[in-house]
Order: sequence, then C-alpha cells, then structure tokens
Amino acid sequence: EAGVTQFPSHSVIEKGQTVTLRCDPISGHDNLYWYRRVMGKEIKFLLHFVKESKQDESGMPNNRFLAERTGGTYSTLKVQPAELEDSGVYFCASSQDREHLGRQETQYFGPGTRLLVL
Amino acid sequence: AQSVTQPDIHITVSEGASLELRCNYSYGATPYLFWYVQSPGQGLQLLLKYFSGDTLVQGIKGFEAEFKRSQSSFNLRKPSVHWSDAAEYFCAVGGGYQKVTFGIGTKLQVIP
Repeated sequence: EAGVTQFPSHSVIEKGQTVTLRCDPISGHDNLYWYRRVMGKEIKFLLHFVKESKQDESGMPNNRFLAERTGGTYSTLKVQPAELEDSGVYFCASSQDREHLGRQETQYFGPGTRLLVL
Repeated sequence: AQSVTQPDIHITVSEGASLELRCNYSYGATPYLFWYVQSPGQGLQLLLKYFSGDTLVQGIKGFEAEFKRSQSSFNLRKPSVHWSDAAEYFCAVGGGYQKVTFGIGTKLQVIP
C-alpha cells in the first residue's frame, strides 16, 4: 500500500512569489493534516481536514496560507505571497476514519516538502 | 494545552551502547503517545505508539518505550545502537482525532 506522498520534495522561490504544495494521503484515509517545521523549532500543526471539510485550522499562521481538499482526496497548500519566514519543511499526514477505529488513530506522515524562500 | 518536552537536543552514543531518549508530556486526559524518527533526507517514520494497555511498548528496529503516568514520561530505549540509528527522534502526544503535538526533537549521533 502506498504511503502519504508529497510534491514537490523541494522548492526554492523568491519572496513575493506563490508556491503550491500537494499532498496525496493514504487511500481511504478521510483525515488529512498539514504540519510545518521551521528550522530549529518544533513541528507545528497547521490544519486538519475531514474529507473535504476543514475540521481545525487553528494553526494556520495567516491569510497568506490557503489549504484546499476538493473531493476529499488530495490536498493543496498554497502560500501567496511567500515571505522569508515561510521557509521550512511542510509535512502532510493522514489517518483513518474516526468511526472506524474509535479514537485510536495513528497519523502517517509523508516525506515533507522543503521550502526555501529567498 | 498539550505539550512535549525533549530535554536533550543532541545525544552521542557509541555503536553497540544502550540508548535512552527522554520525553515528558503534558496532556489533560489519557494521552496517546508516539515516537517518530526522521533519518537524513527522509520523512517521519512511526517507531511506536502507546494508546492503552501494557505500559511497555515494543516498536520497530528494536526500539521500546515505557509509559509512566506518575512521571508524565514516555522514554525511548534501545539496548544496542547501530550506526543506522543515527537520525532525529521526535516524541509526540495527541493524535486520535486531534492534532499531534511534537517535541523539539533529539538528534542522535552514533560513533564507531
């Protein structure tokens, strides 16, 4: 079974440009999460989708970040316009449906997208 | 609010020596606890998890962790470290239907 995949693996852009990150969750996983790790800091939660709905977006830093999950399959995270402080590694994770397993779910992470804003 | 503390940012051990990585958590209810590992150039891989039951949890690659509620700890151990264990290790709490909160990570260096 394929794991969580993310594209691109690396992205280098200039300040003010737009970047779109993509995440494909494990097939059948309704829950999709985005996290970010800024260099030297903890991995921080950004937001959580259940199917196509945003369940929790409390970690989104500001309105330059837009996440979508049309059709409840893959998700995109767009940063527009990018700033220097947006540099970091963006991780996506997915987990199975809550009702199927009760509250015991494991989040499986993708390899991350390394974003560098110059 | 939930939080995780990993007091050791860097640890160096000799190959074949034992390893213990410390993790303390703060969580308002029964915690779900995880250890993830990130090898150089790789993503986050789940090593092991604790949801309930036996407080000594076995994971992949010969790792184990012990949940101690009285100490709010979930330390990771391995009896004999291999050079391939060099990586960054993250303790995390939460999950289930909730976001996962990570510690800052511990970088493990293995010397011959």
